Amino acid sequence: GENVEQHPSTLSVQEGDSAVIKCTYSDSASNYFPWYKQELGKRPQLIIDIRSNVGEKKDQRIAVTLNKTAKHFSLHITETQPEDSAVYFCAASSPAAGNKLTFGGGTRVLVKP
Amino acid sequence: DSGVTQTPKHLITATGQRVTLRCSPRSGDLSVYWYQQSLDQGLQFLIQYYNGEERAKGNILERFSAQQFPDLHSELNLSSLELGDSALYFCASSVTVGATEAFFGQGTRLTVV
Repeated sequence: GENVEQHPSTLSVQEGDSAVIKCTYSDSASNYFPWYKQELGKRPQLIIDIRSNVGEKKDQRIAVTLNKTAKHFSLHITETQPEDSAVYFCAASSPAAGNKLTFGGGTRVLVKP
Repeated sequence: DSGVTQTPKHLITATGQRVTLRCSPRSGDLSVYWYQQSLDQGLQFLIQYYNGEERAKGNILERFSAQQFPDLHSELNLSSLELGDSALYFCASSVTVGATEAFFGQGTRLTVV
């Protein structure tokens, strides 16, 4: 089945700096790659997603890139702010696996003021 | 508010007992997913339903079962509970299966004592 690996597991950045989180997936049929943010004690919420027919997508300070050949995708957060502190999860969905969302292990991001 | 409702929010029960977690998806969503999140862990996929039928299954224990009813709400049944079953159980829903956003409920925190 699909396997999604996420790195790093923790990331500490200074406010204003950029943060990059990387994920790799195993199923070449995967065609949907969302990113979720989970604040402490709360539900995961979608922050951005990308489909396999697109290489890059941007939404204000957040961008995601996808390399289908290498089977990896990344989340970039620019000009980080303290409210960006949370756990971020990448995920992949494959029609070959019933379109279930398989999540990476998560990255705990701490933005230091 | 995501529109996905989970009840109860908290549940404390003893080992060996059986509990039922309930999920009402967003209006119009046909697909329901269940995830388990243990302390400081990622989101482990349990099971997915679409319009009443099971679509995908993860590493769900035999002691666990689920179903989606004609009105599209779903229930996750956990039996012969063990201390290790203590976790946050999330339900998510989406309009369909495939490359589409999944909305998470607030979760049910299960504590087995």
